Amino acid sequence: LAKTTQPISMDSYEGQEVNITCSHNNIATNDYITWYQQFPSQGPRFIIQGYKTKVTNEVASLFIPADRKSSTLSLPRVSLSDTAVYYCLVGDMDTGFQKLVFGTGTRLLVSP
Amino acid sequence: GAVVSQHPSRVICKSGTSVKIECRSLDFQATTMFWYRQFPKQSLMLMATSNEGSKATYEQGVEKDKFLINHASLTLSTLTVTSAHPEDSSFYICSASDWVGGENTEAFFGQGTRLTVV
Repeated sequence: LAKTTQPISMDSYEGQEVNITCSHNNIATNDYITWYQQFPSQGPRFIIQGYKTKVTNEVASLFIPADRKSSTLSLPRVSLSDTAVYYCLVGDMDTGFQKLVFGTGTRLLVSP
Repeated sequence: GAVVSQHPSRVICKSGTSVKIECRSLDFQATTMFWYRQFPKQSLMLMATSNEGSKATYEQGVEKDKFLINHASLTLSTLTVTSAHPEDSSFYICSASDWVGGENTEAFFGQGTRLTVV
């Protein structure tokens, strides 16, 4: 399984755009990139998933360059409630099930 | 999104006793369920993967005789912590997936179970 590397922590202010980059140099051809959000004492919540180029949903955008060795989660206009840990995962969806192995995650702190 | 429910959300047990944690997929059939353990300020650590009707696959270093996993149906998996000790105190989280081929699907996570062994 491809290993991911993320910054341990990031700080931001309300209303700013936050970009969290994840490195996955050993990503395999069939691997998809998925981001999860976790609040304290809760299970992770799915944010977004992509394979290449750009994916956007109602809460975030995911940018994936052509070599797919990294990805960037973009959170537009963060609020205090976006303070959480964000995990980037890569996994193979084509061979039966996605075995999700979590890295360290990025602890985002949004201040007023 | 789909809902995965864990029960109980919090449990306190005495050292030496066993505790069962249930993970249910409420509105979909989970072909695969995953169990994680998370210590404070740390990431989730995958303990085991279970497929309905077959034995669970445990990650290296996880004692299968201590953490018994049963995936008896497509909507229920249980994790039993046997002969619990204080060092087993942790946050246990399950996730479920209904992938059977074709398009991608995400894994849905339960809300977690806080286990305290005293």
